[in-house]
Amino acid sequence: SYVLTQPPSVSVAPGKTARITCGGNNIGSKSVHWYQQKPGQAPVLVIYYDSDRPSGIPERFSGSNSGNTATLTISRVEAGDEADYYCQVWDSSSDQHAVFGGGTQLTVL
Amino acid sequence: EVQLVESGGGLVQPGRSLRLSCTASGFTFGDYAMSWVRQAPGKGLEWVGFIRSKAYGGTTEYAASVKGRFTISRDDSKSIAYLQMNSLKTEDTAVYYCTRGQGGGYFDYWGQGTLVTVSS
Repeated sequence: SYVLTQPPSVSVAPGKTARITCGGNNIGSKSVHWYQQKPGQAPVLVIYYDSDRPSGIPERFSGSNSGNTATLTISRVEAGDEADYYCQVWDSSSDQHAVFGGGTQLTVL
Repeated sequence: EVQLVESGGGLVQPGRSLRLSCTASGFTFGDYAMSWVRQAPGKGLEWVGFIRSKAYGGTTEYAASVKGRFTISRDDSKSIAYLQMNSLKTEDTAVYYCTRGQGGGYFDYWGQGTLVTVSS
């Protein structure tokens, strides 16, 4: 089945830019979605179709996808952005239709 | 406002069964696919399976780890999705989330989750 690889952790200072990567074989040919999960809470969709933002998600959150890497970018990071972030693709050709990355813990220094 | 509320979790012995429910409100339930996603303690997200809307046949798909043991069904008249879990194993211990699926294969709304603990 398809595998998505994320760094376990990313650290960033407040006000700076955080970039969280999601690697996969030719992931640029797939649509990538991103979720934010804060401790004790359910995940929240923050980016879908590589770069679209649901209503209510700040413009500071953006996404890109090309080649073998998709990237979630959080600009002007705030303390409230500290969370786990998961990428996800839909692979209808495999048994595991929805594939999640292992997650990245974002720490705001 | 879209809401998904899971119920039915709890402590169950290995080999036994449990049925989870997901009660939806705030949208036309029958128009959407519904998925279940689980998260073992301290671990990442794992897709369990989904059920298509009746417009797409109402058919189901499952992850290999639960295929043959878990069954997803839906009652559109009550806006409820179910996850029937049989032959439970200790490795099925997780918080189970109900999610609304979109055609592009993403999950735009999630319930708060219900904890299932499989232990003797």
